[in-house]
Amino acid sequence: SQQGEEDPQALSIQEGENATMNCSYKTSINNLQWYRQNSGRGLVHLILIRSNEREKHSGRLRVTLDTSKKSSSLLITASRAADTASYFCAPSGGYQKVTFGIGTKLQVIP
Amino acid sequence: EAQVTQNPRYLITVTGKKLTVTCSQNMNHEYMSWYRQDPGLGLRQIYYSMNVEVTDKGDVPEGYKVSRKEKRNFPLILESPSPNQTSLYFCASGGDGTYNEQFFGPGTRLTVL
Repeated sequence: SQQGEEDPQALSIQEGENATMNCSYKTSINNLQWYRQNSGRGLVHLILIRSNEREKHSGRLRVTLDTSKKSSSLLITASRAADTASYFCAPSGGYQKVTFGIGTKLQVIP
Repeated sequence: EAQVTQNPRYLITVTGKKLTVTCSQNMNHEYMSWYRQDPGLGLRQIYYSMNVEVTDKGDVPEGYKVSRKEKRNFPLILESPSPNQTSLYFCASGGDGTYNEQFFGPGTRLTVL
């Protein structure tokens, strides 16, 4: 199965600061997705970046992908208390077996 | 409203008592999947289904069964639950094609005593 490993496991920042979290994976992919999970709730899809893309933006989110290094990063700019959540990456070569990692737990302090 | 629903949301049961957690989606998705989430272990895939009557094991299928008789439903069956199956369970669905965005249900918190 394809699994992403997020780093760091926990991140605490002040409101207004930027938050950066990283994802590494091991196999070739078609795309990589990032999800957010508020405590105890289902995951919500944030953004998808295709393997032939290097950077993608969506609102305050910026995702980069380096397929040569098999890594991705998610940047949240001007963070808000409402961004407090866990963030997961999902490298995907097709559905088949998909395993999410432990995630990065982000705390944004007001 | 496009959604994935799970029932029940919370369940406390005893060892050995068969139970079923239902999952239903109204998006006509072909792909559906079950995950369990445990502290420090992330989300692990239990079973997935690429279409009606097509199911396959994920990473942690032991102790679980699934069926996919209709496109919209994908129930998770625990024939003889054990305490190590105490967990938070999520059902997800997704459309076909290259862009595999998954839509998750709200979760079912299961406690097996």
